[in-house]
Amino acid sequence: DAGVIQSPRHEVTEMGQEVTLRCKPISGHDYLFWYRQTMMRGLELLIYFNNNVPIDDSGMPEDRFSAKMPNASFSTLKIQPSEPRDSAVYFCASSFAPFYYTFGSGTRLTVV
Amino acid sequence: DAKTTQPTSMDCAEGRAANLPCNHSTISGNEYVYWYRQIHSQGPQYIIHGLKNNETNEMASLIITEDRKSSTLILPHATLRDTAVYYCIALTQGGSEKLVFGKGMKLTVNP
Repeated sequence: DAGVIQSPRHEVTEMGQEVTLRCKPISGHDYLFWYRQTMMRGLELLIYFNNNVPIDDSGMPEDRFSAKMPNASFSTLKIQPSEPRDSAVYFCASSFAPFYYTFGSGTRLTVV
Repeated sequence: DAKTTQPTSMDCAEGRAANLPCNHSTISGNEYVYWYRQIHSQGPQYIIHGLKNNETNEMASLIITEDRKSSTLILPHATLRDTAVYYCIALTQGGSEKLVFGKGMKLTVNP
């Protein structure tokens, strides 16, 4: 198995632009999680899905952030419009059971 | 979920055992202790978990005290590749599925 696949690995965008981060979970995993990591705030859980349904989005910072999971093999995290303070590493993780997470390699987002 | 406390950092010599402590004095009877680690620039990686018995797998051993108020993650023969931030997390299985990371502890393995 190729593991959790995230794309792109790096993204540099200008403030105000729309950014879409992508994640392909491990086949058979029915949980998917989006995290954000910064030096100041550490690892923060943004949202998670179970069987493609959003369960808890209380960590999503504001309405500029949205996440979807149209099917079991794909999820997106969208930021529109992006701001410099959104610069961070965004991780996607999947799991077949609670707490046995497998993380992707992350997307490093820089908003200038 | 119970709060856990870890040292901010520790060093270990390559080839020696690394003993990483974690305090969880308010842990309840149905809370498990989970350990993850994050190597620089990578996503966190599951290591091991336990409830009250000691556990061992190919990566590490987990020793939980009889009163369950603390635990120790043991890397038996630390290598340079074990340099990472290690997270100790107390979780209730059957409760929320969310994994919430604290600040963790930076382990540096020195040659």
